[in-house]
Amino acid sequence: IQLTQSPSFLSASVGDTVTISCRASQGISYYLAWYQQKPGKAPKLVFDAASPLQRGVPSRFSGRGSGTEFTLTITSLQPEDFASYYCQQHSIYPVTFGPGTTVEIK
Amino acid sequence: EVQLVESGGGLVQPGRSLRLSCEASGFIFGDNDMHWVRQRPGEGLEWVSGVSWDGSKTGYGDSVKGRFTISRDNAKNALFLQMDSLRPEDTAFYFCVRGQSKVFVSWGQGILVTVSS
Repeated sequence: IQLTQSPSFLSASVGDTVTISCRASQGISYYLAWYQQKPGKAPKLVFDAASPLQRGVPSRFSGRGSGTEFTLTITSLQPEDFASYYCQQHSIYPVTFGPGTTVEIK
Repeated sequence: EVQLVESGGGLVQPGRSLRLSCEASGFIFGDNDMHWVRQRPGEGLEWVSGVSWDGSKTGYGDSVKGRFTISRDNAKNALFLQMDSLRPEDTAFYFCVRGQSKVFVSWGQGILVTVSS
């Protein structure tokens, strides 16, 4: 299953609300997760559509979608949110990731 | 606190082998599926391999199938990745990952494997 993300890059300011999209090449129900990765660090799970309540993740991260279309929204961007974001389908093996979206400071 | 610490990386020549290890702590290791995910420098994420909580089921990405072998030792809270017939395109950071099934809930800091002559 192939995943595409848009946009590839996004420039935003602290306090903005941003939305990242992920599209799957076939239906994956709600088996879609989102990861945040900062330079030189390991990725971190920020949202899973199959299990929306993730302990320790700020409530400004929210996700929507099912089937083939998904979004991750970050409300009121904070300085620590500037990073790359990857979607991942966990419907079937092999699990696959999207190519990533980099959220940069404007 | 969940900790996953990878070891065994480094520089290796094409065609040679390397074995990665991951020492886990802070959770009940035997309750979780475990995975390896890699990231070539400057690129995106690629799932490499996964093993079920009891070691009975394993899976591999197409690019490593037949060359890599995942295993685990629940008594020692350890995960392994035996990498044979290494290629330059296997050069990447390799992350040990704790899974809730196929959702990657905890990650190690990663270890670099460089395949070059």
